[in-house]
Amino acid sequence: AQSVAQPEDQVNVAEGNPLTVKCTYSVSGNPYLFWYVQYPNRGLQFLLKYITGDNLVKGSYGFEAEFNKSQTSFHLKKPSALVSDSALYFCAVRDDNYGQNYVFGPGTRLSVLP
Amino acid sequence: NAGVTQTPKFQVLKTGQSMTLQCAQDMNHEYMSWYRQDPGMGLRLIHYSVGAGITDQGEVPNGYNVSRSTTEDFPLRLLSAAPSQTSVYFCASSPEPNTGELFFGEGSRLTVL
Repeated sequence: AQSVAQPEDQVNVAEGNPLTVKCTYSVSGNPYLFWYVQYPNRGLQFLLKYITGDNLVKGSYGFEAEFNKSQTSFHLKKPSALVSDSALYFCAVRDDNYGQNYVFGPGTRLSVLP
Repeated sequence: NAGVTQTPKFQVLKTGQSMTLQCAQDMNHEYMSWYRQDPGMGLRLIHYSVGAGITDQGEVPNGYNVSRSTTEDFPLRLLSAAPSQTSVYFCASSPEPNTGELFFGEGSRLTVL
């Protein structure tokens, strides 16, 4: 079965500092990995995805993520955090052995302090 | 660009009542799905559809029904509401079922008393 873990419920970072939001996954086949962001009282918005190819994926709003197959991780990063990045972040995985179903992690709340 | 539209945004039900959450998308996506979001649990898949006339169960399907008569619409029916169904419900669609990202609606907040 596929699963996703986000080991930190909350991440606090000062504005201008680099940020990392962690994600690890478990699948039986090849993983398709995604990051989404949710602002208060809104639906989730797609940030970036890894399907195949380059392990470093760049996405919206200056975010990037690195796929690490040996560590089964897909951490989200940004070189310089903004207060407006404060939101709830979800990692999700699709296992190519399980067709079309996503599995989402529990979410990590990012707070960027001015 | 309407994208994925959900109605209603808020609903209060009494235990045992039934209702339908509506979802429509105008992007011609074949894949549509319903999730519920509960604090600390992320999003859990209720039902999904890979095209008109085709539906399947997700992780937490009990107490919910779906149908897909058109590509655009994917309503979620609560047959007999229970307090455990108090949640925020999200409809999402995708242009490509395996590698495409999900496009989400704004959510429907349901409270069952």
